Amino acid sequence: SQTIHQWPATLVQPVGSPLSLECTVEGTSNPNLYWYRQAAGRGLQLLFYSVGIGQISSEVPQNLSASRPQDRQFILSSKKLLLSDSGFYLCAWRGSSYEQYFGPGTRLTVT
Amino acid sequence: AQSVTQLDSHVSVSEGTPVLLRCNYSSSYSPSLFWYVQHPNKGLQLLLKYTSAATLVKGINGFEAEFKKSETSFHLTKPSAHMSDAAEYFCVVSYYNTDKLIFGTGTRLQVFP
Repeated sequence: SQTIHQWPATLVQPVGSPLSLECTVEGTSNPNLYWYRQAAGRGLQLLFYSVGIGQISSEVPQNLSASRPQDRQFILSSKKLLLSDSGFYLCAWRGSSYEQYFGPGTRLTVT
Repeated sequence: AQSVTQLDSHVSVSEGTPVLLRCNYSSSYSPSLFWYVQHPNKGLQLLLKYTSAATLVKGINGFEAEFKKSETSFHLTKPSAHMSDAAEYFCVVSYYNTDKLIFGTGTRLQVFP
């Protein structure tokens, strides 16, 4: 069966510091992968999606970037964090009927 | 345009009583619809999905939803609430049956003993 991992689970970073969040999927090959952000008390915002290695589409202009160096690995990065980057970051992969399966999430607090 | 509207931001029930979480959708054709549950500080878990097969969809943990085209609704129900059902629930539509999901604003379910 498929499993999706995210790490770290929680992260506290100062403003201006870099960021790297990692997501890996097991049990499926060449999945469509997604990064979402969920701000406190708000819905999910799609940040990036990828249909294959090296293929990244950005939904929202911001100081975040994404990369897909391997088939089942998706990385979210920033060179300099802003306070507004705080939130709950979720990675997901797409199933056979457009449904998406989410990872456990990373809680990022920028101080 | 595709959209979903969750009619209640909060729902409170007693343990053992039925649960009804309401969702209306707007779509120019037959959509793919989903219900997700999110417990605090957890990822979203897929409860069930409708993809133009049977209109009554059974999901995990005793939940089910009925697709009603005439009413453009996809309400989530459970016959008997359990304390562990307390969470945030999201109704979601696939944008023109693509990768892009459109999320409702969520319904917070409280379950009282």
